[in-house]
Amino acid sequence: GENVEQHPSTLSVQEGDSAVIKCTYSDSASNYFPWYKQELGKRPQLIIDIRSNVGEKKDQRIAVTLNKTAKHFSLHITETQPEDSAVYFCAASPFPYGGSQGNLIFGKGTKLSVKP
Amino acid sequence: DGGITQSPKYLFRKEGQNVTLSCEQNLNHDAMYWYRQDPGQGLRLIYYSQIVNDFQKGDIAEGYSVSREKKESFPLTVTSAQKNPTAFYLCASTVGEKLFFGSGTQLSVL
Repeated sequence: GENVEQHPSTLSVQEGDSAVIKCTYSDSASNYFPWYKQELGKRPQLIIDIRSNVGEKKDQRIAVTLNKTAKHFSLHITETQPEDSAVYFCAASPFPYGGSQGNLIFGKGTKLSVKP
Repeated sequence: DGGITQSPKYLFRKEGQNVTLSCEQNLNHDAMYWYRQDPGQGLRLIYYSQIVNDFQKGDIAEGYSVSREKKESFPLTVTSAQKNPTAFYLCASTVGEKLFFGSGTQLSVL
């Protein structure tokens, strides 16, 4: 089955700097890679996702890149702000979900702290 | 997502007791999921259901049970066989490949 490794586990940056979080996956059949942001005590919220037929996707200050050959994908946050402070999770799965295909497997999370 | 409602927000379990966590959605989504979250850990899949009256075990199903009698509802029972139930439980549903979560239930042991 799929295994997702996420690094670093904690990341501290100054406001305005960039932050990069990296994930690796094991199953070459995985074709969907979402990123979630979770604030303390709240639900994880989908912030960006990418399919395997795309190498990069941007949405304002956040971007995700995918290297299928190396089986890794990364989240990039530019011009960080204090409200970006949260735990970020990556995930990977073949899609459609379920049965022998499996379901989303999550990394263990990165706690991002943005210092004013 | 505001269309997925979990209750209660906090739940306490006594030793040997079964407790049931509620998850209701009004999004007309077919597939629903239960995840467990422990501090410093990712989200681990307990059970999922792709259609009414059918459900499948996830990676950590032991000590849990579910039912899916209605499309809108997917309750999770934490049985006395689950020896370490303290965790944040998240219900989710999907539209296409996108997974959306409810607000969660924090279960603690008295």
